[in-house]
Amino acid sequence: AQSVTQLGSHVSVSEGALVLLRCNYSSSVPPYLFWYVQYPNQGLQLLLKYTTGATLVKGINGFEAEFKKSETSFHLTKPSAHMSDAAEYFCAVGRGSTLGRLYFGRGTQLTVWP
Amino acid sequence: GAGVSQTPSNKVTEKGKYVELRCDPISGHTALYWYRQSLGQGPEFLIYFQGTGAADDSGLPNDRFFAVRPEGSVSTLKIQRTERGDSAVYLCASSTELAGGRNEQFFGPGTRLTVL
Repeated sequence: AQSVTQLGSHVSVSEGALVLLRCNYSSSVPPYLFWYVQYPNQGLQLLLKYTTGATLVKGINGFEAEFKKSETSFHLTKPSAHMSDAAEYFCAVGRGSTLGRLYFGRGTQLTVWP
Repeated sequence: GAGVSQTPSNKVTEKGKYVELRCDPISGHTALYWYRQSLGQGPEFLIYFQGTGAADDSGLPNDRFFAVRPEGSVSTLKIQRTERGDSAVYLCASSTELAGGRNEQFFGPGTRLTVL
């Protein structure tokens, strides 16, 4: 079975500050890991994904995430927040016996203050 | 190119009615997924198709929910005898071949269903 925990349903940062959104997962096999972003009234958009290989993954809009197997984590970071980063972020895990389907966390709403 | 489209964008119905939600995937995508997103929650898997067949329908909550994809492209999610608890945003996604789930799923904007 697979599951995802996102710590903090709301995160607020000032513009220019570091963004850190936390994601921990449980998986019985090496997972595929994803971060999606959802802007108001829009569909989910993929930010980045980890499948195999390099554990530090770079995505769009300056985001990156690091797969840490020992910590079962896949935290999302961005060095400097921009106002346009305000959105809801979802971590998701896939693979194992549940080919294709993704398990999503509950989401983290990111607010960026000017 | 066109992304995943879903119609209608909003649907308001009365308790007990039947509704159909439509999804047009990205052309050439063989895998199609339905998820449901309730307020304050992440998307919850319902069903996915590989081609015309439902490869996994274990997420459908009960037998009031049914989905089809007769020609391997457009899919329709059907809900009978709707209940207030069915109110949610229904998301559709598509991807290229399953490949063990490593491929990106492209999501549509969703259909917001409200059952009064």
